[in-house]
Amino acid sequence: EIVLTQSPATLSLSPGERATLSCRTSQSVSSYLAWYQQKPGQAPRLLIYDASNRATGIPARFSGSGSGTDFTLTISSLEPEDFAVYYCQQRSNLITFGQGTRLEIK
Amino acid sequence: EVQLLESGGGLVQPGGSLRLSCGASGFTFSNYAMSWVRQAPGKRLERVSGISGDGGATYNADSVRGRFTISRDNSKNTLYLQMNSLRPEDTAVYYCAKGDLGYCSGGRCYYLDLWGQGTLVTVSS
Repeated sequence: EIVLTQSPATLSLSPGERATLSCRTSQSVSSYLAWYQQKPGQAPRLLIYDASNRATGIPARFSGSGSGTDFTLTISSLEPEDFAVYYCQQRSNLITFGQGTRLEIK
Repeated sequence: EVQLLESGGGLVQPGGSLRLSCGASGFTFSNYAMSWVRQAPGKRLERVSGISGDGGATYNADSVRGRFTISRDNSKNTLYLQMNSLRPEDTAVYYCAKGDLGYCSGGRCYYLDLWGQGTLVTVSS
């Protein structure tokens, strides 16, 4: 099983700041990595797929990068609605998720 | 409207059974693989079961293999999860989720581009 490790566990920032979230995989997944956003009481929502492609309707302030084992989700300028939990997921070998990064308001 | 709607969750005693259902609308259901993903308190998302668009291939995680059965009725646009021999550690919110492909191939699977609202399963005496 491919294990995904996200860091940091919690990120405290203010609106307008830049957020950088990391996901590392236990073996190479090429570019087969996605990012999801989950708000309290809601289901996850697909943000980024294939490491760097924004899903339909996702604002341009969200961007993804990386390949192999190291990936990054960047939110260029935080909006109030961006404070949530973010998960990465790989599809290179079955489907597994990271443990999540909580993005909270500082 | 494109959506998934789960039902069937609830409180069940250890050793008991439940069947979850997920109704799909707004897309050609049979074209896409589907999965059940659960979220236990304080734990990461876990894909417990998956099924190809035509229903011919299924997957169950080690944690549920032999106890859970995933199935689908493409004529009714509905996904199911039959859960038997439930354990306290099965307590979680269960989501059905649509894959962006029709199947897994050679282990390579899919992303989950549409999720239901989730249904809570509580296993407790």
